[in-house]
Amino acid sequence: KQEVTQIPAALSVPEGENLVLNCSFTDSAIYNLQWFRQDPGKGLTSLLLIQSSQREQTSGRLNASLDKSSGRSTLYIAASQPGDSATYLCAVRSGANNLFFGTGTRLTVIP
Amino acid sequence: DVKVTQSSRYLVKRTGEKVFLECVQDMDHENMFWYRQDPGLGLRLIYFSYDVKMKEKGDIPEGYSVSREKKERFSLILESASTNQTSMYLCASSPLGREQFFGPGTRLTVL
Repeated sequence: KQEVTQIPAALSVPEGENLVLNCSFTDSAIYNLQWFRQDPGKGLTSLLLIQSSQREQTSGRLNASLDKSSGRSTLYIAASQPGDSATYLCAVRSGANNLFFGTGTRLTVIP
Repeated sequence: DVKVTQSSRYLVKRTGEKVFLECVQDMDHENMFWYRQDPGLGLRLIYFSYDVKMKEKGDIPEGYSVSREKKERFSLILESASTNQTSMYLCASSPLGREQFFGPGTRLTVL
């Protein structure tokens, strides 16, 4: 069964810093990988989707990379802002339709 | 924009009650999903559906059932609620093989 790990569980950075969030998965036979943001008590907002054939995706200040062979993905956030404070989740699609989620990294950007 | 709505943001029920959680999506997506989210355990898949009247068990289907009579609506049913079903419930939808879009979540408390 696919297992997804996100380290660290929590991260605090000063405003303006660039940062990297890590995601690893045990089974490299994936269809795609998705990064989400979750604010406290709210649902998930999709940030980026990377297909298994892609190496990276970019959206604004966010860049996600995928190294399928090593079972790793990173989410790079440039010039962090207090509004970026949230929990970031990665999820991989291994089976027909369902996603396997990590437990997330809680990011705090300090003004 | 894709919109996934859930019938309630907060719900309080008593042990033994029958509970219905409703989810509606407006983008004609084939797939719909129900997850629960618990601290330290992340999101876990309860059931998903890839077509009207079709359903598949996820990782933790025990104590739950689902109904999909129309393409846009996916219901999660707790036949006899128990305290260990207190959780955040998240619904999602997606086109076949594509990214999942989530609703705002329902925080269910069973007393």
